[in-house]
Amino acid sequence: EAGVTQSPTHLIKTRGQQATLRCSPISGHTSVYWYQQALGLGLQFLLWYDEGEERNRGNFPPRFSGRQFPNYSSELNVNALELEDSALYLCASSLGVGGQETQYFGPGTRLLVL
Amino acid sequence: GESVGLHLPTLSVQEGDNSIINCAYSNSASDYFIWYKQESGKGPQFIIDIRSNMDKRQGQRVTVLLNKTVKHLSLQIAATQPGDSAVYFCAENTRGTYKYIFGTGTRLKVLA
Repeated sequence: EAGVTQSPTHLIKTRGQQATLRCSPISGHTSVYWYQQALGLGLQFLLWYDEGEERNRGNFPPRFSGRQFPNYSSELNVNALELEDSALYLCASSLGVGGQETQYFGPGTRLLVL
Repeated sequence: GESVGLHLPTLSVQEGDNSIINCAYSNSASDYFIWYKQESGKGPQFIIDIRSNMDKRQGQRVTVLLNKTVKHLSLQIAATQPGDSAVYFCAENTRGTYKYIFGTGTRLKVLA
């Protein structure tokens, strides 16, 4: 069974540009989570999607947004990139029943903002 | 691969010894907890979870202990192996909040 996949693996952008990160959950999983992991910090919760709906978002500005498609894959968009957005962005998926199921993580997208 | 966090607390353990990694969680209402392992350059990997109606749960070579009174979680790894070297962090969740809170992690170094 394929795990959570993310693309691209690496992304280099300049300040002010937009970045789009993609995630495909494990087959059968309906919940997708996005996290930011900056160097020296723990995982910071960004967004949680379940059945196409945004269930919750973390303490990030509105320029961080996303969506979940009918096939449960997801996109994270970061507008007006800032240098401090440089981080590893991790996507996780779970069965999405009740919100307390094991999250399985993808390998991440490393975003570098110059 | 790149290191995950440059200023994490580090636990150095001799190969074959037992490791104990601790985590203080923040929300007394949290009722679900997970331990993850993250190797350099990889995404976090699920190790073991525990619900608040339990105080101990065992897996293969790992045991999680939960002390709700002091909001403390620990991960015990038996007979630590070189492949256990990684960053370990806990996560907490309260049912219905649709949010997980992650600890910053502890780096485990296994000495040969």
